[in-house]
Amino acid sequence: QVHLVESGGGVVQPGGSLRLACAASGFNFYDYGMHWVRQAPGKGLEWVTFIHYDASSIDYIDSVRGRFTISRDNSKSTVYLQLNSLRVEDTAVYYCAKDKVPRTIDHWGQGTLVTVSS
Amino acid sequence: DIVVTQTPRSLSVTPGQPASISCKSSQSLLHGDGETYLSWYLQKPGHSPQPLIYEVSKRFSGVSDRFSGSGSGTDFTLKISRVEAEDVGVYHCMQSAQVPWTFGQGTKVEIK
Repeated sequence: QVHLVESGGGVVQPGGSLRLACAASGFNFYDYGMHWVRQAPGKGLEWVTFIHYDASSIDYIDSVRGRFTISRDNSKSTVYLQLNSLRVEDTAVYYCAKDKVPRTIDHWGQGTLVTVSS
Repeated sequence: DIVVTQTPRSLSVTPGQPASISCKSSQSLLHGDGETYLSWYLQKPGHSPQPLIYEVSKRFSGVSDRFSGSGSGTDFTLKISRVEAEDVGVYHCMQSAQVPWTFGQGTKVEIK
């Protein structure tokens, strides 16, 4: 059974940094791309970033490009999201999600809350 | 970016009755590989999204056949044949034909 567990969320001041992690189990992690999707309080879902199974391809939404960095460690079945230069508008629950080839998401983690506030 | 618009924003349904949600995209979701990439998710209160439909009309494993998807190009529909109490929550459509993948604003389904 696929299991995705996010960690690393918390409260940070504007301009600060956080590193989120998503530990995966129940599938061959090294065979699948991974996504991060966020949801601001009371709002809809927003796709943030994707990393190919071998990290050969990475995409970001424009609003985070240059500030956020996705990476993965296939030996640890973990995907990371480094959040730098955080803004108030980055406040959201961040979900880790597993890619299903060719182009969809078939499993979601429980999410981790990032709050950017002074 | 492709803009995805869902209607209605909320829906109140009598148990056992059908329900329908529309999802329209600002550009065609027909990809160069010949597939159309539109998915549907249900987010139950206090939970993360759970998958329902991918590639317009294919049900994810374990999804009830009460859920069906249809459409093409820019117009898509999710139908619930007979709404049950467990179907309450927010339904999201997502286009993945073009990066960045984008979601509709969500449709909240309640039981009367």
